[in-house]
Amino acid sequence: DQQVKQNSPSLSVQEGRISILNCDYTNSMFDYFLWYKKYPAEGPTFLISISSIKDKNEDGRFTVFLNKSAKHLSLHIVPSQPGDSAVYFCAASGTSYGKLTFGQGTILTVHP
Amino acid sequence: GAVVSQHPSWVICKSGTSVKIECRSLDFQATTMFWYRQFPKQSLMLMATSNEGSKATYEQGVEKDKFLINHASLTLSTLTVTSAHPEDSSFYICSAPRQGRNYGYTFGSGTRLTVV
Repeated sequence: DQQVKQNSPSLSVQEGRISILNCDYTNSMFDYFLWYKKYPAEGPTFLISISSIKDKNEDGRFTVFLNKSAKHLSLHIVPSQPGDSAVYFCAASGTSYGKLTFGQGTILTVHP
Repeated sequence: GAVVSQHPSWVICKSGTSVKIECRSLDFQATTMFWYRQFPKQSLMLMATSNEGSKATYEQGVEKDKFLINHASLTLSTLTVTSAHPEDSSFYICSAPRQGRNYGYTFGSGTRLTVV
């Protein structure tokens, strides 16, 4: 049972444009959501998080939107840069600092 | 701040031997450490949660006698893969609650285990 789903295995974007990565979840008990960036053979790097009491959180070029009624969250990267090319994982937790459930990941490629 | 140092970054071992992976929180105290594994082109799957001074909690389907977890201090958690077999070959990553203004977790750099 995949509780966190990233339905797009890959996304290709031109440098300077917006990258939108999507994530859906099924467990209504999830209260915290996070986005991570990962390169092969490396640990994930934290990007941004959001709690269920908010619908938007912004940090520099990264913005996360949460739609609780749709059980959907998205990560916007503006402007996209070639260095953003990596695998992006969304993750969710039901409690503060509880265990994380990850999506399958989306490979983002930003072309110069 | 909030750095988790994981060692070794890669290891090759023979079937039947044991391998220990260490995760250290360098500039903060980690009362909890999560251990994940990732198979090629797949997601990160939680194996177990270790808590300083108490027994680890294992996820369903994870053999606790095979994957020994010790969290003896607030800065060190270890995962020992005992009697390793080729199917244990994977990428193992640890994670601790993150310090800072944004809620999150800090991950180690991961350990690539290959059992031959």
